[in-house]
Amino acid sequence: GAVVSQHPSRVICKSGTSVKIECRSLDFQATTMFWYRQFPKQSLMLMATSNEGSKATYEQGVEKDKFLINHASLTLSTLTVTSAHPEDSSFYICSARGLAGGRTGELFFGEGSRLTVL
Amino acid sequence: GDSVTQMEGPVTLSEEAFLTINCTYTATGYPSLFWYVQYPGEGLQLLLKATKADDKGSNKGFEATYRKETTSFHLEKGSVQVSDSAVYFCALSSGGNEKLTFGTGTRLTIIP
Repeated sequence: GAVVSQHPSRVICKSGTSVKIECRSLDFQATTMFWYRQFPKQSLMLMATSNEGSKATYEQGVEKDKFLINHASLTLSTLTVTSAHPEDSSFYICSARGLAGGRTGELFFGEGSRLTVL
Repeated sequence: GDSVTQMEGPVTLSEEAFLTINCTYTATGYPSLFWYVQYPGEGLQLLLKATKADDKGSNKGFEATYRKETTSFHLEKGSVQVSDSAVYFCALSSGGNEKLTFGTGTRLTIIP
């Protein structure tokens, strides 16, 4: 099946630094990618929707200047957490939608990236 | 707004037991309903879906029926296996948009 890969799977950083998480669709072109955040024992919360070549659409309450999303190609979207603080520690998950094996529109998810800010 | 409420875990069952994971929803209009599964170390995968009332989604022995009257989409399997151990997420999309609203997830552990 279609594969979406996230990197890194785990990252620990110091407060105040910036961290970039990559989301790649390995065997299909993804015109739309989604970024979710998951807190312990809570559901996945949609942060933003990114479309290749255009600005991301952020959900209400998500700071676009803090969570920078770039969807520069049909196979890569990046999420940069700027000036990270301990409250940004979370599990970040991306998903991608596109044509894969004839399954138009199906969502495929990455493995997730766990960010810990010290 | 849209919301999904699913059975809190963790759930631990013996192999070959019957499984039910409850899921109820609130949504405007007529949502599509999904169950996703996340095996250890992997991303979420679509397990099954239903797009209209009374539809039954099924895959890998799992089933769920879209019940509009009770706004439910409970996941069932008649005989679970150790390999079914995973986290299961109920989700919906409504209004013709592609955004998913997820439940909190239920961790299932099957013991031999």
